[in-house]
Amino acid sequence: QVQLVQSGAEVKKPGASVKVSCKASGYTFTNYGISWVRQAPGQGLEWMGWISAYNGNTNYAQKLQGRVTMTTDTSTSTAYMELRSLRSDDTAVYYCARGGYTTGADVWGQGTTVTVSS
Amino acid sequence: SYELTQPLSVSVALGQTARITCGGNNIGSKNVHWYQQKPGQAPVLVIYGDSNRPSGIPERFSGSNSRNTATLTISRAQAGDEADYYCQVWDSSTVVFGGGTKLTVL
Repeated sequence: QVQLVQSGAEVKKPGASVKVSCKASGYTFTNYGISWVRQAPGQGLEWMGWISAYNGNTNYAQKLQGRVTMTTDTSTSTAYMELRSLRSDDTAVYYCARGGYTTGADVWGQGTTVTVSS
Repeated sequence: SYELTQPLSVSVALGQTARITCGGNNIGSKNVHWYQQKPGQAPVLVIYGDSNRPSGIPERFSGSNSRNTATLTISRAQAGDEADYYCQVWDSSTVVFGGGTKLTVL
């Protein structure tokens, strides 16, 4: 079945970096883009950016420009999201999701909790 | 930047019809997607492209989009529909989410 499986929970200190992985299975990885969405505790959904698994083109949310990098490894059908210079307000559940403009995000990963604390 | 406005909460009696709105400037010209999120779970796509249901989503869920308001309609509301609902569009190559609406089934 089509699924996205994310890496496990992370605890980081302020100023550190985190890299979350998202492994796809059950479909042709390069046929879809991957969005990354985060949700702070008790808050709504915040879009972080999107990457084309076909050619690696990216669009990032303006507020994260310069701190976030999204990449893919087509040989393992895995997408990655790296966030640098972590702050306490980066504490959130991070989701990857398959999809694009017309289809919406139709498959989601299970979420990865990232806690930033000194 | 583009903004989407949703009511914080909507209540509906069991078996009745709930309508959740999503307001945005000329949103009728955009593709609107809707997500359901239950506590502790990842979001689930319930409507895409304004009014299309993914496979596995009950016919009780429907969507419309016109001018400055998109609407998610849930007919014959069930206790299991109680959740947060988010609308979403693409604008200038970025994704915008509404703030979310908590649906309570009474």
